Amino acid sequence: GAVVSQHPSRVICKSGTSVKIECRSLDFQATTMFWYRQFPKQSLMLMATSNEGSKATYEQGVEKDKFLINHASLTLSTLTVTSAHPEDSSFYICSASTGAAEAFFGQGTRLTVV
Amino acid sequence: QQPVQSPQAVILREGEDAVINCSSSKALYSVHWYRQKHGEAPVFLMILLKGGEQKGHDKISASFNEKKQQSSLYLTASQLSYSGTYFCGTDSGSARQLTFGSGTQLTVLP
Repeated sequence: GAVVSQHPSRVICKSGTSVKIECRSLDFQATTMFWYRQFPKQSLMLMATSNEGSKATYEQGVEKDKFLINHASLTLSTLTVTSAHPEDSSFYICSASTGAAEAFFGQGTRLTVV
Repeated sequence: QQPVQSPQAVILREGEDAVINCSSSKALYSVHWYRQKHGEAPVFLMILLKGGEQKGHDKISASFNEKKQQSSLYLTASQLSYSGTYFCGTDSGSARQLTFGSGTQLTVLP
């Protein structure tokens, strides 16, 4: 199957700082990428849909000024958590789609804000 | 709306069978099944497309009843490695944007 690489896998940052997470499709072009968040012992919740060359579509309740998404190329989407707070600590996972049926997930990024 | 998964948790002995169900209130284009180990990203198991198909590989199979908007995952002769949380992700046609169920925690004991 196709490979999606997410970086970093773990990050610890101080409250008030910003953190950037990258999601790359290594062997295919992803017209659409999705960003999910997963709190401990909970399901994955979609945060936003990222389309190459256009603005991301955010789910209800997700602050677009806090979670900045950029999809500058067909193989790279980035999520920047701005002015991070402890309640933003979570597991962030991206997935990418070629437009066919299957979506491929990155390895996830565990963010801890102290 | 989030699909409903049942049961929430199941404990098995190695070699026993299990069924995990996923039910949606919306019409579905496809159902995706994933297994997630603690601290790791979900791992894709299989996808079932509209058309009511059944799929499987090795001892894990699944069915999709599009009329009932339900899917079931069948684990036969379970192995220790099957332990984890199983999620169904449903796709109502929105460019592979998945809505995940709450998960079923499966524990296989020796």
